[in-house]
Amino acid sequence: EPEVTQTPSHQVTQMGQEVILRCVPISNHLYFYWYRQILGQKVEFLVSFYNNEISEKSEIFDDQFSVERPDGSNFTLKIRSTKLEDSAMYFCASSPSGSGYNEQFFGPGTRLTVL
Amino acid sequence: SQQGEEDPQALSIQEGENATMNCSYKTSINNLQWYRQNSGRGLVHLILIRSNEREKHSGRLRVTLDTSKKSSSLLITASRAADTASYFCATDARGSTLGRLYFGRGTQLTVWP
Repeated sequence: EPEVTQTPSHQVTQMGQEVILRCVPISNHLYFYWYRQILGQKVEFLVSFYNNEISEKSEIFDDQFSVERPDGSNFTLKIRSTKLEDSAMYFCASSPSGSGYNEQFFGPGTRLTVL
Repeated sequence: SQQGEEDPQALSIQEGENATMNCSYKTSINNLQWYRQNSGRGLVHLILIRSNEREKHSGRLRVTLDTSKKSSSLLITASRAADTASYFCATDARGSTLGRLYFGRGTQLTVWP
């Protein structure tokens, strides 16, 4: 069964460094998402992406964050200058459509630790 | 806020018993989805119920939706130790074409062998 994959599974970085989290969505899906979950807290929406542009972003997704679909398969989240509070599990998700009637399938996550 | 809230926060049962978890939300929705998360792992999609549906089954899972009360329940029948996990409901917003999901804090289910 097709699934969303994410790399790396765990990323440790120093505060102020740039990180890129990578995702390969399910191949025939059109909508892509990033969510994050700080330890012990809710899963929070960051951004949605469709047709090579951001569809919606939350207040968390500030200028330090960017997303890109550099080719036909990868979907990346970049954090330009990491802060301690960026430490979280980051989940990529994809969906066949954004109509609200389709499931979002999540990847296994990347645990980001900022020291 | 659209966010769903699960109830109870924690549930502890014996294998073979049924587990019922509830979710409430605040605004109109297109659909409601339930996810499972094993400790420190990814989110596994369990079931989606649309706003015009009242009940849905998938194996040992039964989900109900009451849009008048803005609530949903997830029933796991004949629970197993492997069902131990956190369970989250996630809602979108009515009319949304973008699919943003709002998650609750989850119910931590522990099933004792």
